[in-house]
Amino acid sequence: DTEVTQTPKHLVMGMTNKKSLKCEQHMGHRAMYWYKQKAKKPPELMFVYSYEKLSINESVPSRFSPECPNSSLLNLHLHALQPEDSALYLCASSQGVMVGGPRPTGELFFGEGSRLTVL
Amino acid sequence: SQQGEEDPQALSIQEGENATMNCSYKTSINNLQWYRQNSGRGLVHLILIRSNEREKHSGRLRVTLDTSKKSSSLLITASRAADTASYFCAPLTFSGNTPLVFGKGTRLSVIA
Repeated sequence: DTEVTQTPKHLVMGMTNKKSLKCEQHMGHRAMYWYKQKAKKPPELMFVYSYEKLSINESVPSRFSPECPNSSLLNLHLHALQPEDSALYLCASSQGVMVGGPRPTGELFFGEGSRLTVL
Repeated sequence: SQQGEEDPQALSIQEGENATMNCSYKTSINNLQWYRQNSGRGLVHLILIRSNEREKHSGRLRVTLDTSKKSSSLLITASRAADTASYFCAPLTFSGNTPLVFGKGTRLSVIA
């Protein structure tokens, strides 16, 4: 299984709503990522989890709250978002650093994304 | 990790022609990866070339790497309409769980 599954595919929410994006992988990867992508722009890194611990937060506003309940799951909790937060949110995973094993290549496996619209 | 810079930013060719896109980066790397993204979809890993390799092939894809010039190129031969997508290069330097950073990409349009 080489898939990263993201749900929902589309989400429309108001500025006062609370919603969550979910991401799941069963490749045994220990690093998971959230990227945000606006139209005609490259993906921008938001968060990195390594072994279920938050290792990188790219100065993302607190209205985005990531969570990694276990090694297979990654959530992005959304609260009080602004219309400019409308974007495609991409989840990715990679093998991460393996102690005592061959160094992984850093290849990222992406999900198909969740298209978020904030009204 | 560092961001690659792709060139050209946009490329339009006829079906059957070859498409070449280039990537430049600034500091030494362990490998360089190319990804494809169809409109509104997730990125798909295409090919990885290690710093000690000069050329690599995968199907209709040919990647070269010149570490002295800090540049790479991706050649797609006999292009098809389905190759229409954005292509991103991602230079990688190992440092723990180094995240990949993406440049603006090359938007390739293959006209049938």
